[in-house]
Amino acid sequence: QKEVEQNSGPLSVPEGAIASLNCTYSDRGSQSFFWYRQYSGKSPELIMSIYSNGDKEDGRFTAQLNKASQYVSLLIRDSQPSDSATYLCAATPYGTNAGKSTFGDGTTLTVKP
Amino acid sequence: GAGVSQTPSNKVTEKGKYVELRCDPISGHTALYWYRQSLGQGPEFLIYFQGTGAADDSGLPNDRFFAVRPEGSVSTLKIQRTERGDSAVYLCASSYTVNTEAFFGQGTRLTVV
Repeated sequence: QKEVEQNSGPLSVPEGAIASLNCTYSDRGSQSFFWYRQYSGKSPELIMSIYSNGDKEDGRFTAQLNKASQYVSLLIRDSQPSDSATYLCAATPYGTNAGKSTFGDGTTLTVKP
Repeated sequence: GAGVSQTPSNKVTEKGKYVELRCDPISGHTALYWYRQSLGQGPEFLIYFQGTGAADDSGLPNDRFFAVRPEGSVSTLKIQRTERGDSAVYLCASSYTVNTEAFFGQGTRLTVV
């Protein structure tokens, strides 16, 4: 079992819909969580960070963290075709390993016009 | 520069050769990370630096891999006696300090033939 699990997809949504991406992690010591977007052939681009339980909103993006259940999610409202990409979830532990992020293998999102 | 810069963008080398991959982080970022990404997978942690020292090198696959950051800025990932299995995209990222938002460079695609 991977330390960070994501549904590989593909997840397909129509333009204008809400896309919901989920991520679970196994290390209870994880304290920081990040969502990256990666277009094919490109490097990951940071979208959101979240450090405490609850919701964090930034424009069309909302990250949700539930440490008790060990899951992180990303909601994309009013999805656009340009949102079509692979979304990577990363978890970072606390303390001496704080620089050692573990990534999931990503969920591929397709937004259809 | 404004972002993380990695050189070269592409590197083709023969099996058994030595290669160096360079990363120039965002100015002022004290933490620097190296990851490796294979097709269809998320980035895999290799090593991270806080300042000049390697804080955690537990992700380096074996002793053919080595990384330095002598002045706390530019870092070089060195691979000796390259093998075909080393072929991947090598990603560098930097952050203001450990466990804060990290930003990736464009990556170096290494192909060992």
